[in-house]
Amino acid sequence: DIQMTQFPSSLSASVGDRVTITCRASQGISNYLAWYQQIPGKVPKLLIYAASTLQSGVPSRFSGSGSGTDFTLTISSLQPEDVATYYCQKYDRAPHTFGPGTKVGIK
Amino acid sequence: QITLKESGPTVVKPTQTLTLTCSFSGFSLSTTRVGVGWIRQPPGKALEWLALIYWDDDYRYSPSLKSRLTITKDLSKNQVVLTMTNMDPVDTATYYCARRLSNPSFPFDYWGQGTLVTVSS
Repeated sequence: DIQMTQFPSSLSASVGDRVTITCRASQGISNYLAWYQQIPGKVPKLLIYAASTLQSGVPSRFSGSGSGTDFTLTISSLQPEDVATYYCQKYDRAPHTFGPGTKVGIK
Repeated sequence: QITLKESGPTVVKPTQTLTLTCSFSGFSLSTTRVGVGWIRQPPGKALEWLALIYWDDDYRYSPSLKSRLTITKDLSKNQVVLTMTNMDPVDTATYYCARRLSNPSFPFDYWGQGTLVTVSS
């Protein structure tokens, strides 16, 4: 089965900073990669699918890139409401494994 | 408007079987491409994908839990049921159901609020 890794596991940045999270698949998954945001105490929310397509309603400061095995989620200007854990997920074929998550906080 | 809601026991004893129901509205599991899946999250830990069932009765399970899981659908009630046998305290988690589409593949776009299940004697 394909394993998903993320790094860093956590980070703290200042409001307005550019933040980048990396997700790596142990084998190629084309662009079948999604990013979810989970604000503490809330339900996960789909942010990005097909590696780089923003889900409707998601602020444009979020962007995604990558294909094959290496993917990134970028927040161009970190906002207080972005404090959350971010998960990547492969959805090409089952099992639809999630990454271990990256916790993003504010300095 | 698409909604999903999980229901089931809040506490189960070790070795018991857990039965969770996902009741949904705003879409049909008889429509081509539609699937409903289950995901869980132990307190303070990461999301874990468990199972999926599709409009055509195709289904998939997490390899590590396959022997303990059964997923079924009831079209008349707009429900998906997940059973997990031989529950253990490590299975304590919030269990979510969510919708996805296939062909072309799409991730989980609508999620239920989740239900916390505690395994304790």
